[in-house]
Amino acid sequence: NAGVTQTPKFQVLKTGQSMTLQCAQDMNHNSMYWYRQDPGMGLRLIYYSASEGTTDKGEVPNGYNVSRLNKREFSLRLESAAPSQTSVYFCASSVSLSTGGGQPQHFGDGTRLSIL
Amino acid sequence: RKEVEQDPGPFNVPEGATVAFNCTYSNSASQSFFWYRQDCRKEPKLLMSVYSSGNEDGRFTAQLNRASQYISLLIRDSKLSDSATYLCVVTPDFFGGSQGNLIFGKGTKLSVKP
Repeated sequence: NAGVTQTPKFQVLKTGQSMTLQCAQDMNHNSMYWYRQDPGMGLRLIYYSASEGTTDKGEVPNGYNVSRLNKREFSLRLESAAPSQTSVYFCASSVSLSTGGGQPQHFGDGTRLSIL
Repeated sequence: RKEVEQDPGPFNVPEGATVAFNCTYSNSASQSFFWYRQDCRKEPKLLMSVYSSGNEDGRFTAQLNRASQYISLLIRDSKLSDSATYLCVVTPDFFGGSQGNLIFGKGTKLSVKP
């Protein structure tokens, strides 16, 4: 049982390049999330998808776009990478949206992204 | 006041020690609470949920004090393998918070020494 799978694990980009981070879960979860984690900042929500067909902005959405391709997959795209987007990116999923329902989230093992 | 606050540590303790972490949260309407564990350069993993009545899982005990808006995690008989960062996590109420998702503290680092 793979859980939440992220690709790639590592990536180095040049400023202005674009790329897509892939995430897939095999737990039949409805909700999926993208976070970034920076030293001293903790985890910050970029975008989330409450269910297939919906996406919403989180705390730090600028410079990113997302696509909920189907129930399993939720991708994060950087259209024009900037050094400030150097971070560790985590994808997560939960049975349903965490609001009020107390649903814990299960995380992928992260993508380490460096932008030069 | 930040939404979820934790002492960043580090807490350096010998094997076998008992250690306690506290976490405070600002939204009194918060619904659910969790402790996650994150090893260095790894993803956060759910350690345990925190229930109003308190709950225990082996050497780990979690407590919730809604009146004072704090959550605690007690680790007894610390092992070397307990060395990690412990994240306090809160879900907001139905109508507010970070767009309805988990709110993470920045974590408390624990280092258990032989």
